[in-house]
Amino acid sequence: ETGVTQTPRHLVMGMTNKKSLKCEQHLGHNAMYWYKQSAKKPLELMFVYNFKEQTENNSVPSRFSPECPNSSHLFLHLHTLQPEDSALYLCASSVRTQRTDTQYFGPGTRLTVL
Amino acid sequence: EDKVVQSPLSLVVHEGDTVTLNCSYEVTNFRSLLWYKQEKKAPTFLFMLTSSGIEKKSGRLSSILDKKELFSILNITATQTGDSAIYLCAVMVGSQGNLIFGKGTKLSVKP
Repeated sequence: ETGVTQTPRHLVMGMTNKKSLKCEQHLGHNAMYWYKQSAKKPLELMFVYNFKEQTENNSVPSRFSPECPNSSHLFLHLHTLQPEDSALYLCASSVRTQRTDTQYFGPGTRLTVL
Repeated sequence: EDKVVQSPLSLVVHEGDTVTLNCSYEVTNFRSLLWYKQEKKAPTFLFMLTSSGIEKKSGRLSSILDKKELFSILNITATQTGDSAIYLCAVMVGSQGNLIFGKGTKLSVKP
């Protein structure tokens, strides 16, 4: 247990659905991250939030919309996704976005888009 | 473009063997290198390396960084079946501390 939880753990959705992924960290961290892990590809950074402010959007399509209402919670809103968006979505947190701050990962949400 | 390359991509050994996993990188604005172990889903943190030549150890695992040759190795001695996992190498870059990941090495330890 790393102190970072994600819900749901599995999600199957159609291309016209709207759904949200939730991440919560209980570590007192101020930075939170969304990553995408597709089969046979490296983990890809999607978004970074530092003290609730988005500091990085790694050229992610607008059908992915992040929200960070406070330093403990991070959401990823999904709409009109494509089958190629099927992947494991991992949330991580760290104290801040500093060189000495290790990122701790949640268990991920396995997303399947039909 | 920042790049992290791990080798081998997969490895099968028997219990008791010693393995060495490799990670090389080409990045701008290097800050640190991290190793994670991923079993099933959540990557779990193993080591963070920022200085060359200083070995980090945790039980049977150890790692070292060479910032001149731009690589790191992760050693596992006396492997056990519980060491079976994907080992991820990531390089932290830039002022935001973003992580660039390699594809991982899938280690399978047979009894």
